[in-house]
Amino acid sequence: NAGVTQTPKFQVLKTGQSMTLQCAQDMNHEYMSWYRQDPGMGLRLIHYSVGAGITDQGEVPNGYNVSRSTTEDFPLRLLSAAPSQTSVYFCASSKSTDLAGGLTGELFFGEGSRLTVL
Amino acid sequence: LAKTTQPISMDSYEGQEVNITCSHNNIATNDYITWYQQFPSQGPRFIIQGYKTKVTNEVASLFIPADRKSSTLSLPRVSLSDTAVYYCLVAQGKGGKLIFGQGTELSVKP
Repeated sequence: NAGVTQTPKFQVLKTGQSMTLQCAQDMNHEYMSWYRQDPGMGLRLIHYSVGAGITDQGEVPNGYNVSRSTTEDFPLRLLSAAPSQTSVYFCASSKSTDLAGGLTGELFFGEGSRLTVL
Repeated sequence: LAKTTQPISMDSYEGQEVNITCSHNNIATNDYITWYQQFPSQGPRFIIQGYKTKVTNEVASLFIPADRKSSTLSLPRVSLSDTAVYYCLVAQGKGGKLIFGQGTELSVKP
């Protein structure tokens, strides 16, 4: 059982380049999200999705795009990388819900993708 | 959204019990409380989750008072390997916006 898989694990970009961080989960989870974590800091929510075809902005969405065409995949796109986007990116998924179908907050995280923008 | 507040850091010694308290004054009726552990260069890992009263598993206990405005993660007899950052997360039901607080950096000394 692979869980949440992120690729690549490491990436170096030049300012202005574009790239996509891939995230896939094999647990049939409806909810997926992306966080960034700067050195010595906590996790900040970038974008999230409560199901295929549905995405929404988190705390720090500027500079990032997402799409959710399938339940399994939730790629994060950087259209024009900036040094301020140097960070570790974590993808997470969740299926755990309460009786009303709401999230309970039990997230499964990937191992992270470390991005450096020069 | 329920905002969480935790101590920035805590120190302990091996074999001691550690209690980390998280404040979430504006928690909503349907919100669950979840605690995570994160080691350097790894993603956070689920430790325990609760809604009210007390929950215990093989790793930790979670105490939630009746008003649910705070919660306490209890780690019994910590070891050096428990040195990590601990986050409490209050889930916003159907909202989907799961916002983490700054976390508590626990340092366990020999």
